[in-house]
Amino acid sequence: DAGITQSPRYKITETGRQVTLMCHQTWSHSYMFWYRQDLGHGLRLIYYSAAADITDKGEVPDGYVVSRSKTENFPLTLESATRSQTSVYFCASGQVRGAQHFGDGTRLSIL
Amino acid sequence: GESVGLHLPTLSVQEGDNSIINCAYSNSASDYFIWYKQESGKGPQFIIDIRSNMDKRQGQRVTVLLNKTVKHLSLQIAATQPGDSAVYFCADLSGGSYIPTFGRGTSLIVHP
Repeated sequence: DAGITQSPRYKITETGRQVTLMCHQTWSHSYMFWYRQDLGHGLRLIYYSAAADITDKGEVPDGYVVSRSKTENFPLTLESATRSQTSVYFCASGQVRGAQHFGDGTRLSIL
Repeated sequence: GESVGLHLPTLSVQEGDNSIINCAYSNSASDYFIWYKQESGKGPQFIIDIRSNMDKRQGQRVTVLLNKTVKHLSLQIAATQPGDSAVYFCADLSGGSYIPTFGRGTSLIVHP
């Protein structure tokens, strides 16, 4: 089915661990985005990508790494997880000047 | 799951009523506007969009109104149903940008 898929849906890990959140889209959209959503802050942009091998920092990039070797995949890595990175993470994709389409999120808890 | 509705403005309506959700934007260069619906435990879902060359656009049970003079956007939901209960937020983009600015959202609660 066409769409955008995030995995895992839920993840619990410990501080200092490396965690990778996966995002896969089947629309061949050029643009992909990673957001985190926290109470009181709404959606905040972490990183985005305009095409394969092109990535840029968003509003809150510290502590995160992304890559985009293929158009359809945009993984987000927390290199050394901290409790402040406990959040719900959303991946989105879209075409230029169009609406973004979101996945159903990964709920990440860091103990 | 988490409640994204906490700390947000809340609109409570009765089933069958019409709902109006408002959004203000700050960038006078914004020319594309989107409304999203986010149900508990899910990602934001596209509802309807409008470009700045229009004042009004209608979809199925939803209408978006744009007032560029006061930088205001509204979403009207006709005959609101319990399934419409969710957080609604707007987003705007300015010419040349593909990164939207998201509003904080309004929590809509529909009472049967």
